Amino acid sequence: SQTIHQWPATLVQPVGSPLSLECTVEGTSNPNLYWYRQAAGRGLQLLFYSVGIGQISSEVPQNLSASRPQDRQFILSSKKLLLSDSGFYLCAWRTSGGYNEQFFGPGTRLTVL
Amino acid sequence: AQKITQTQPGMFVQEKEAVTLDCTYDTSDPSYGLFWYKQPSSGEMIFLIYQGSYDQQNATEGRYSLNFQKARKSANLVISASQLGDSAMYFCAMSLYNNNDMRFGAGTRLTVKP
Repeated sequence: SQTIHQWPATLVQPVGSPLSLECTVEGTSNPNLYWYRQAAGRGLQLLFYSVGIGQISSEVPQNLSASRPQDRQFILSSKKLLLSDSGFYLCAWRTSGGYNEQFFGPGTRLTVL
Repeated sequence: AQKITQTQPGMFVQEKEAVTLDCTYDTSDPSYGLFWYKQPSSGEMIFLIYQGSYDQQNATEGRYSLNFQKARKSANLVISASQLGDSAMYFCAMSLYNNNDMRFGAGTRLTVKP
């Protein structure tokens, strides 16, 4: 069966510090991968998605970036965090094409101080 | 681009009663899928139910059913026999067939009263 991992679960970082959040998927190959951010009590904002290694689509201009160095690995990064980057970050995968549902990881709660 | 609207920020329902959570969408593409997710306070996103734009019948999954009205572009979630464990945020989402992203509504917080 497929599983999706995210780490760390929680993170507290100072403004201006770098960020690296990692997401890996097991039990499937060539998945579509997604990064979402959720502000407290709000909906999900799509940040990036990837349909293959090295292929990244950015939805919102910001100081975040994403990379997909391996088929089942998706990394969210920042060189300098802002206060507004605080939130709950969710990684998700789905099989490519069609009407398939997304499966989500457990999320990372990021607080920027 | 597709758009998802959930107009109910919060809903209350008595335990064992049914509740309907509203969702409307906007797209000019004829091929799409509609999804509902549940997010408990733990933060995990749990997939509940799916409806394809060409499906003739409304989707059902246990106590969940989707009231799909294509002409009105609505995809309301009906939860029957509410349980205390149903208290959570509920999100409606849409994905176009020829697109790889998925868009979410703002969510509805459901509280089940004992």
